[in-house]
Amino acid sequence: DSGVTQTPKHLITATGQRVTLRCSPRSGDLSVYWYQQSLDQGLQFLIQYYNGEERAKGNILERFSAQQFPDLHSELNLSSLELGDSALYFCASSERLGGGIGNEQFFGPGTRLTVL
Amino acid sequence: DAKTTQPPSMDCAEGRAANLPCNHSTISGNEYVYWYRQIHSQGPQYIIHGLKNNETNEMASLIITEDRKSSTLILPHATLRDTAVYYCIVSSGADSWGKLQFGAGTQVVVTP
Repeated sequence: DSGVTQTPKHLITATGQRVTLRCSPRSGDLSVYWYQQSLDQGLQFLIQYYNGEERAKGNILERFSAQQFPDLHSELNLSSLELGDSALYFCASSERLGGGIGNEQFFGPGTRLTVL
Repeated sequence: DAKTTQPPSMDCAEGRAANLPCNHSTISGNEYVYWYRQIHSQGPQYIIHGLKNNETNEMASLIITEDRKSSTLILPHATLRDTAVYYCIVSSGADSWGKLQFGAGTQVVVTP
């Protein structure tokens, strides 16, 4: 158990819909990262927040957005869903902002999104 | 961040050491080598990381060559539960934002 929780575990929805994925980081961790894992693209970094502020963006679609709340939990919002958005979405947390010593990331169990 | 090259797959007998190679010939001075693994669609799990020196923890050992262009992850006594995809990642130091760029990794299968 990494200490990172994600809800829901599974989500099945239709094209065009909007969903919200939730992540609670480990106690004390200020950085939250979102990753997408699809069969054809592998694990891809989407976005990072640190203490409520967006800090880095990867190949995140404009239809996707995220935020980190004052209690440090984070939500990833996916809208106008397409079939290709079906994937595993992982949240990770770490203590610090940057890379380097002591900034290993702890991953949650993921949310499996299926778009029909 | 520098790219890494790993063999796509390898087998290992249970109880034997598993040596997983990784090439990162374009690594720069402030970049760390991280290893994570993912067991069948579970969240990736941190294993170990290092900068220049060899590192050891309760899970594995990391051997980094002197020129830092390659490294080897050693699982000293592989068990069936070590079957997973292992990712070698090079990540910038404290001046970066810490994001991880995953490649295809090495699928390790531990057999009885």
